[in-house]
Amino acid sequence: DQQVKQNSPSLSVQEGRISILNCDYTNSMFDYFLWYKKYPAEGPTFLISISSIKDKNEDGRFTVFLNKSAKHLSLHIVPSQPGDSAVYFCAASDETSGSRLTFGEGTQLTVNP
Amino acid sequence: KAGVTQTPRYLIKTRGQQVTLSCSPISGHRSVSWYQQTPGQGLQFLFEYFSETQRNKGNFPGRFSGRQFSNSRSEMNVSTLELGDSALYLCASSRLPTGELFFGEGSRLTVL
Repeated sequence: DQQVKQNSPSLSVQEGRISILNCDYTNSMFDYFLWYKKYPAEGPTFLISISSIKDKNEDGRFTVFLNKSAKHLSLHIVPSQPGDSAVYFCAASDETSGSRLTFGEGTQLTVNP
Repeated sequence: KAGVTQTPRYLIKTRGQQVTLSCSPISGHRSVSWYQQTPGQGLQFLFEYFSETQRNKGNFPGRFSGRQFSNSRSEMNVSTLELGDSALYLCASSRLPTGELFFGEGSRLTVL
């Protein structure tokens, strides 16, 4: 049972344009959501998070939107840069899960110069 | 500030053998968790330790085990290796057992 799904395995955008990565979840107990970025041969690095009490969180070029009723979140990167090319993982947790994050399968983002 | 350190980075084993992977968390971090990454599967949670106690365990067979020492360093062990155990094993630490995790670079295990 895949409780967090990233339906797009890959996404390709032009430099300077917006990248939108999507994530859906099924577990209504999830109340904290995170995005991680992973380069080859490196561990995932934290990017941005959002609590279920908010519907938007912004950090520089990165904005995460949460639609609780649709159980959907998205990560917007504006403007996209070639250095943003990486695999992006969506993750979720609830107040009882501690460090147990449930991850999506990841989306490979390629930003073309 | 040193990051999460995992050793070894790469290793090759044969079916039936066992393997021990090590993780040194960021100084001051008492929570350590382990994840398995395989192609197309994302990251699957293995277990989580906080102050030497296992707080959570994922849906993996008993061949997968772990422990945490008093200095917060952690090890995980896989016995009777199977081909399907080939994966990137990632360790993550955090100050408390909630929220943002800091990952190491992983130990890539290949089982032949």
